Amino acid sequence: AQSVTQPDIHITVSEGASLELRCNYSYGATPYLFWYVQSPGQGLQLLLKYFSGDTLVQGIKGFEAEFKRSQSSFNLRKPSVHWSDAAEYFCAYAGGTSYGKLTFGQGTILTVHP
Amino acid sequence: GAVVSQHPSWVICKSGTSVKIECRSLDFQATTMFWYRQFPKQSLMLMATSNEGSKATYEQGVEKDKFLINHASLTLSTLTVTSAHPEDSSFYICSASLGGQGLGYGYTFGSGTRLTVV
Repeated sequence: AQSVTQPDIHITVSEGASLELRCNYSYGATPYLFWYVQSPGQGLQLLLKYFSGDTLVQGIKGFEAEFKRSQSSFNLRKPSVHWSDAAEYFCAYAGGTSYGKLTFGQGTILTVHP
Repeated sequence: GAVVSQHPSWVICKSGTSVKIECRSLDFQATTMFWYRQFPKQSLMLMATSNEGSKATYEQGVEKDKFLINHASLTLSTLTVTSAHPEDSSFYICSASLGGQGLGYGYTFGSGTRLTVV
């Protein structure tokens, strides 16, 4: 079965530092990949998505992600983190036998120190 | 654009009662909506896929008689938790596909409903 793995449950960075959140998927064909952010008690906001084409995807709030087929990865990056970026981040996948449905990773909680 | 409104944002109910959660697409037609459940500090688990005018498709292990889903119009899907018990307490989130079953348009999420059963 297809799956999405976020290896890091919790990451702490200092404000202004760079950030990379890891996401790995297991699926043979090109997947549809998403990154969402969730603040406590809130719904999910789409940061960016990859369907095809350029493997470096730009999103909102200064985030970007790179699709690497050889590594089955779709890592999220931001060059300089702001305190307001503290939240939980979910990588999600759609495609294959789960066509039309999103499968989420376990989530990564980001803490930002001043 | 592409806003999904979910109501209520929180609800407390007594054990044995039923609770209805609404999910509305405000500025687009959502032929397909999804209902998720999220336990504290855990990821989102898909409960069911709701298609306008037809029966919902439930994921394995989800009790369809407990979690009733109705998608009677292109802008409204409802989830009714019947005979709620404390173990049903959770955060429920709806999502709408922006392109029906097509993946090319992505998904948008409601703000979630915190259900507490006492």
